[in-house]
Amino acid sequence: NAGVTQTPKFQVLKTGQSMTLQCAQDMNHEYMSWYRQDPGMGLRLIHYSVGAGITDQGEVPNGYNVSRSTTEDFPLRLLSAAPSQTSVYFCASSLGGAQNTGELFFGEGSRLTVL
Amino acid sequence: DQQVKQNSPSLSVQEGRISILNCDYTNSMFDYFLWYKKYPAEGPTFLISISSIKDKNEDGRFTVFLNKSAKHLSLHIVPSQPGDSAVYFCAASPLFYKFYFGSGTKLNVKP
Repeated sequence: NAGVTQTPKFQVLKTGQSMTLQCAQDMNHEYMSWYRQDPGMGLRLIHYSVGAGITDQGEVPNGYNVSRSTTEDFPLRLLSAAPSQTSVYFCASSLGGAQNTGELFFGEGSRLTVL
Repeated sequence: DQQVKQNSPSLSVQEGRISILNCDYTNSMFDYFLWYKKYPAEGPTFLISISSIKDKNEDGRFTVFLNKSAKHLSLHIVPSQPGDSAVYFCAASPLFYKFYFGSGTKLNVKP
């Protein structure tokens, strides 16, 4: 059972380049989200989705785009990378709806460095 | 400004003793609280949760206490084991879809 899968695990970009971090879950979870982890800041919510076709902004959405065309996938796009986006990114999912206990299942993370 | 704060970046405890990790929050709309554990190079994993209608929840060696009037929660681990050494994050939510995390406390349990 794969759970939440993130790719790539590591990526180095130059300022201004674009890229997409992939996230897929095989648990049929309605809710998916992206967080970034920075030293001393904990995890901060970037974007989230409560179901296919529905997305919304979190605490730190600027510079990132998301879409949710299927229940399984929730890619995070960096349109023009900046050094401030150097971070570790985590994708998470949870059941959603009446069964939602709030428990988030996290991927292993994607470490992004922007030079 | 962070709505969830963990003011102790690190904690060191002897094996077998109690570990107490603290968390404070500012938003009175938060009604669901969770603790996560994170090992290096892995994603956080869920540990225990509590809703605002309770003041205590236990799961084996782990107990979470919630003091709503003080906007404070704590995680007690008894007895502490070396395998508990990790970073612990508390999180709070006004809905099940938006979670606010603290900055984490690194627990070191010494054998």
